[in-house]
Amino acid sequence: AQSVTQLDSQVPVFEEAPVELRCNYSSSVSVYLFWYVQYPNQGLQLLLKYLSGSTLVKGINGFEAEFNKSQTSFHLRKPSVHISDTAEYFCAVSEAGSARQLTFGSGTQLTVLP
Amino acid sequence: DTAVSQTPKYLVTQMGNDKSIKCEQNLGHDTMYWYKQDSKKFLKIMFSYNNKELIINETVPNRFSPKSPDKAHLNLHINSLELGDSAVYFCASSQVYTGVGTEAFFGQGTRLTVV
Repeated sequence: AQSVTQLDSQVPVFEEAPVELRCNYSSSVSVYLFWYVQYPNQGLQLLLKYLSGSTLVKGINGFEAEFNKSQTSFHLRKPSVHISDTAEYFCAVSEAGSARQLTFGSGTQLTVLP
Repeated sequence: DTAVSQTPKYLVTQMGNDKSIKCEQNLGHDTMYWYKQDSKKFLKIMFSYNNKELIINETVPNRFSPKSPDKAHLNLHINSLELGDSAVYFCASSQVYTGVGTEAFFGQGTRLTVV
């Protein structure tokens, strides 16, 4: 069965600083990887996804993530954050070819400070 | 137009009551899901339906019963509500299974509070 670990439950960072949110996964088969963002009192919105090909994936709002198969990681990065990026970020995995659902990590609260 | 819509957005009810949450998607997707988000924001799958058929039924009390009248709708009925049922419930849909790489689209959530 697949699992996802988000190593940091909270990440405070100052505005315009870079940020990295860490995600590691475990699966015995190939996976697809996703990052979702949840703004306060809202649903989840897809930031980006990795299916295959280039290991560097670019998403919305200036975010990008790098898939590292050897380290089973899919870390999310942004070179310069804004106050509006304050939200909960979820990493998720789906086993390729499986009818199983997305499995989510426990989330990372990103707080951007002025 | 809202892609995945849930009603109601907030639901406050007493223990022992029966309640339903409705979900509709206008994306033409074949697969729909219910997720539960607890107070620590952990998201856990409850049910998954594909073309009105139940695909996944995780370890969820029998008091929870999903119903899919057609592939655009997946409702969640909860009997004999308990305090521990308080959470945010998210409906989601995807074109096919997420195992073929399609992402899931989420509704705005229903915050259920049992008092």
